[in-house]
Amino acid sequence: GEDVEQSLFLSVREGDSSVINCTYTDSSSTYLYWYKQEPGAGLQLLTYIFSNMDMKQDQRLTVLLNKKDKHLSLRIADTQTGDSAIYFCAERRSQGNLIFGKGTKLSVKP
Amino acid sequence: KAGVTQTPRYLIKTRGQQVTLSCSPISGHRSVSWYQQTPGQGLQFLFEYFSETQRNKGNFPGRFSGRQFSNSRSEMNVSTLELGDSALYLCASSVRLAGADNEQFFGPGTRLTVL
Repeated sequence: GEDVEQSLFLSVREGDSSVINCTYTDSSSTYLYWYKQEPGAGLQLLTYIFSNMDMKQDQRLTVLLNKKDKHLSLRIADTQTGDSAIYFCAERRSQGNLIFGKGTKLSVKP
Repeated sequence: KAGVTQTPRYLIKTRGQQVTLSCSPISGHRSVSWYQQTPGQGLQFLFEYFSETQRNKGNFPGRFSGRQFSNSRSEMNVSTLELGDSALYLCASSVRLAGADNEQFFGPGTRLTVL
C-alpha cells in the first residue's frame, strides 16, 4: 500500500527495552528516520539510517533495517519515563518528500 | 541560537475564511518545509521552500499555498477553510534542502481549529 505502517501503542516498564516496529512502502527510499514527539512539541529527529545499512547504534538507540521486507525497527534500551512520547517512522522517497507513519505512542510505567 | 518559531500558536477560524501561518527558521537555515498533522491522516508533507522557490510539493489542493521571503521566513496560506483543515501545522527548517545528512528542526506548530 501507500502507507507507512506502525502499531499505535506500546507499553513497557521502566528499565525494560522497547521495540517499535515500522513497515515502509518504497523500496527505493533512500533514508529512513525515527522522530520523537512529546506533548505540545514539534518533532525531534532521533536517528536515521541509510538504505544500504542494516543496523545503526547510537547510545541507547538501535535501528535495524530489513530492506527485503521493508521493515524498520527502533530499540530503546533501558527505557526511562522520559522516553514516553509518540515515535514516528518516516521514509524519504526518491522524489525527496518525507512520508510518515501515524506514530506509536510509547508509555513507560514506573 | 533560537529555534524554529511559529506564529500564532493557536488560531480559530470559521469555514470559508482564509488563514496565514508564519514560520521563522533557525538563523542561517535556508530551507523551510511545512507539514499538516491530524489524528486521522497523521503527518503529511505540504511543501518545501528553498531560496524563495518551492522545491517540493505534497498532495494537497491548490487552496494550500506558501511562499518564502529573502530572509528565509516562510508563510503558509489556506483559503476557503474547511472543517477538515483543522490540524496542527508544523514547520521545519534546515540549512540546505532536506535530506538525511541535513537535519530538519521542527517548530512547536500552529494549532488551527476551523468551526
